[in-house]
Amino acid sequence: ETGVTQTPRHLVMGMTNKKSLKCEQHLGHNAMYWYKQSAKKPLELMFVYNFKEQTENNSVPSRFSPECPNSSHLFLHLHTLQPEDSALYLCASSQDGDRLNTIYFGEGSWLTVV
Amino acid sequence: AQTVTQSQPEMSVQEAETVTLSCTYDTSESDYYLFWYKQPPSRQMILVIRQEAYKQQNATENRFSVNFQKAAKSFSLKISDSQLGDAAMYFCAYSQFTSGTYKYIFGTGTRLKVLA
Repeated sequence: ETGVTQTPRHLVMGMTNKKSLKCEQHLGHNAMYWYKQSAKKPLELMFVYNFKEQTENNSVPSRFSPECPNSSHLFLHLHTLQPEDSALYLCASSQDGDRLNTIYFGEGSWLTVV
Repeated sequence: AQTVTQSQPEMSVQEAETVTLSCTYDTSESDYYLFWYKQPPSRQMILVIRQEAYKQQNATENRFSVNFQKAAKSFSLKISDSQLGDAAMYFCAYSQFTSGTYKYIFGTGTRLKVLA
């Protein structure tokens, strides 16, 4: 039981498709994150939301569109992706003011763009 | 901008032996946090150990300990009595409070192999 649940775990999509990744956290945290993990690269921070408000957009292409309807849910809408967007997408959450200051990750969604 | 560097793409250790994974970081801030995360083949990122920059004492969690050298901006992880279950990717991470929330920056990772 991770506390952060991501669906789907695996997704294959064509370059013209529209799909979404979903993340739900059951930890009562206020901040949620999307990271992209590609081989031999550092985890790339994509977006940060704090109390549903976007606080960080790390120069992510517009073909990735985040949505945060509430502090527990985070979506990543995908449209007109490129093969180089194939990667593991990790969702995470944290609680500001938590003296432990720890970020908790989901198990990731494997995305393959064909 | 803050950066985290892990210079060892891969390390190997014999079971029951000790191994040290290196991490350096760059920041102009004085208040921040450092972490080591483990990512086994399941891909679930698991927190191994955490260090607050204002604490001089090195953090310890069972067989895992760190050597935090703030002036040198170095944060290495020592794994004692290595076990087969320790085999994983290990990521060093830096965190500071900015723009209203905590921002976490990760290194490229070190793959640890444990030899039986």
